[in-house]
Amino acid sequence: AQSVSQHNHHVILSEAASLELGCNYSYGGTVNLFWYVQYPGQHLQLLLKYFSGDPLVKGIKGFEAEFIKSKFSFNLRKPSVQWSDTAEYFCAVNDMNRDDKIIFGKGTRLHILP
Amino acid sequence: DAGVIQSPRHEVTEMGQEVTLRCKPISGHNSLFWYRQTMMRGLELLIYFNNNVPIDDSGMPEDRFSAKMPNASFSTLKIQPSEPRDSAVYFCASSTEYYEQYFGPGTRLTVT
Repeated sequence: AQSVSQHNHHVILSEAASLELGCNYSYGGTVNLFWYVQYPGQHLQLLLKYFSGDPLVKGIKGFEAEFIKSKFSFNLRKPSVQWSDTAEYFCAVNDMNRDDKIIFGKGTRLHILP
Repeated sequence: DAGVIQSPRHEVTEMGQEVTLRCKPISGHNSLFWYRQTMMRGLELLIYFNNNVPIDDSGMPEDRFSAKMPNASFSTLKIQPSEPRDSAVYFCASSTEYYEQYFGPGTRLTVT
């Protein structure tokens, strides 16, 4: 069965630090990949997505992610975090040949110290 | 577009009562998803519909939960009877054939 693993459950950083959140998925076929963000008390919002093409994807608010097919990974990065980036981040995968269902990871809680 | 609309935003009810959560997907989206989010279990997919037809309900916890989608613009998730362990935030999301899901604001359910 498809699964998505997010390596870090809770990350604490200081402002201006660089960020990398790990994400690995288990399915070996053609996939769509997503990162969603959930700010405190709010709903999930799409941060960025990869469908095809350039494996380095740029999203909103300075975030980017790199799809490395050989490693089944889609890690999220930001060179310099801000206090407002405090949120929970979810990696998600869709099997393009299967159905519309997206498999979400367990999430990583990011806490930025001012 | 107004986005995915959910009602009510907050619901407090007593154990044993029936609870109905409502969702209006984004117009033109053909898939609709119901999720439950708790601190302990994270985000769980309960059921999803494609073109108003339930496709996968394997995440529905038990027979007390039921969902319907009578038309392309409306879906309900019903819990009868409700129990304290059903307390959670319930999200509805919709998507097109491109699979990107748009989430509603959620319904925070508290069962006392």
